[in-house]
Amino acid sequence: KQEVTQIPAALSVPEGENLVLNCSFTDSAIYNLQWFRQDPGKGLTSLLLIQSSQREQTSGRLNASLDKSSGRSTLYIAASQPGDSATYLCAVRLRSGGYQKVTFGIGTKLQVIP
Amino acid sequence: DVKVTQSSRYLVKRTGEKVFLECVQDMDHENMFWYRQDPGLGLRLIYFSYDVKMKEKGDIPEGYSVSREKKERFSLILESASTNQTSMYLCASSLRAWDGYTFGSGTRLTVV
Repeated sequence: KQEVTQIPAALSVPEGENLVLNCSFTDSAIYNLQWFRQDPGKGLTSLLLIQSSQREQTSGRLNASLDKSSGRSTLYIAASQPGDSATYLCAVRLRSGGYQKVTFGIGTKLQVIP
Repeated sequence: DVKVTQSSRYLVKRTGEKVFLECVQDMDHENMFWYRQDPGLGLRLIYFSYDVKMKEKGDIPEGYSVSREKKERFSLILESASTNQTSMYLCASSLRAWDGYTFGSGTRLTVV
């Protein structure tokens, strides 16, 4: 069974700092990995989708990397802003199996302090 | 961009009521999903559908049913609401089975 772990559970940083969020998974036979942000009481907003054949994806100040062999993905946020405060979740889709084989992490709650 | 719309942001229902949660997507996606999200447990899949009138059970289907009469609409039904179904309900869609998800804004359901 795929397990997805996000450490730390919470993170507080001063504005302007560069930061890295981690996502670890136990089964490396993945199809893709998706990063989301979730604001309190709201749905998930997709940030980046990395296919298994890719090493990284970039969107603005965000960069996500994928290392299947070590079972890790990182989300790098450059020059953090208070508006980046949210919970960040990763979701891993296994290569084999049916539609239900997407496993979500619990998330890392990020607070950016002005 | 694909938009996934959940009809209600907040709902309060009484124990035993039949509850309908509606989800509509506007980009002709084949696949639709219902999740619930609880603190410490993360997202858990309730049901999904890969085509009109098709449905498959997820990890926690007990106490729920679904309906997909049209491609764009996927409804979650709580046959007889119970307090342990108080949760955040999230609908998602994807174009193909292996594509990334687009989520709706969520429905916070409280059963009293």
